[in-house]
Amino acid sequence: KNQVEQSPQSLIILEGKNCTLQCNYTVSPFSNLRWYKQDTGRGPVSLTIMTFSENTKSNGRYTATLDADTKQSSLHITASQLSDSASYICVVTDRGSTLGRLYFGRGTQLTVWP
Amino acid sequence: EAQVTQNPRYLITVTGKKLTVTCSQNMNHEYMSWYRQDPGLGLRQIYYSMNVEVTDKGDVPEGYKVSRKEKRNFPLILESPSPNQTSLYFCASSSGQVSGQPQHFGDGTRLSIL
Repeated sequence: KNQVEQSPQSLIILEGKNCTLQCNYTVSPFSNLRWYKQDTGRGPVSLTIMTFSENTKSNGRYTATLDADTKQSSLHITASQLSDSASYICVVTDRGSTLGRLYFGRGTQLTVWP
Repeated sequence: EAQVTQNPRYLITVTGKKLTVTCSQNMNHEYMSWYRQDPGLGLRQIYYSMNVEVTDKGDVPEGYKVSRKEKRNFPLILESPSPNQTSLYFCASSSGQVSGQPQHFGDGTRLSIL
C-alpha cells in the first residue's frame, strides 16, 4: 500500500536553532517528492521538489534531501525564525498512473519559540 | 498575479442544501485538484482533473461531484451536504504532476454543515 509517513508529529524549538523533519514513503513507482509549508489557515506553499535523480535541494534556509533507495527524505531548517512556525507536509507523486496520483503525509507541526 | 481563487471563503449551511464551491486559476494550468483537510488527518484528495472533461476520483470522493468544462474553472459540488463534510477545503492547480511542477493552492474554504 502506498503511504507517506512523517515524523515527528510535532516539534518545538527555540529561535535560531536548527531542526530536521523526516519523511518515509512506500510509493512506487516513484516520480517526485515535494515539501510544502502551510501556515495556519492558509494554503500550502511549495518549498522544494525533487525527482529520482536528485538527492539534495535548497531553498534559502530550507534544505531537502532524498534517498530514493531507502525511500526517505528529510527537510533541514537552518537558523530557525519565528515565521518558520507552520505545518510541513511531504507529498509523493506516483509515476504509475498517467494522471500522477499524489500521496500526502499528515505533516509535522513546527513551533518556534523566541 | 498568478493565483488560485476559491469562493466562498466561509460558509455555514444546513444538511441537504446543495452547495457549490468555485475554484478558478489564471495560470492556464492543466491539472487541478480538490482536497479536504481535517485535524489529525492532513490533506486528503477528493477529485482531480488532468484537463477539460478529464476527472478522476481521489481518496475521499464520496458525497462530492466535480466538473471541468473550462480549463480555468473546477467547481466542487456537494449535492446533499452532511455534517461529516464539515471541513477546510483547498483547491490547487499545476502545469503537471509527474513532471514535478509545484501545485499552487487557494486560500481555502471553511465549510460548516449543521
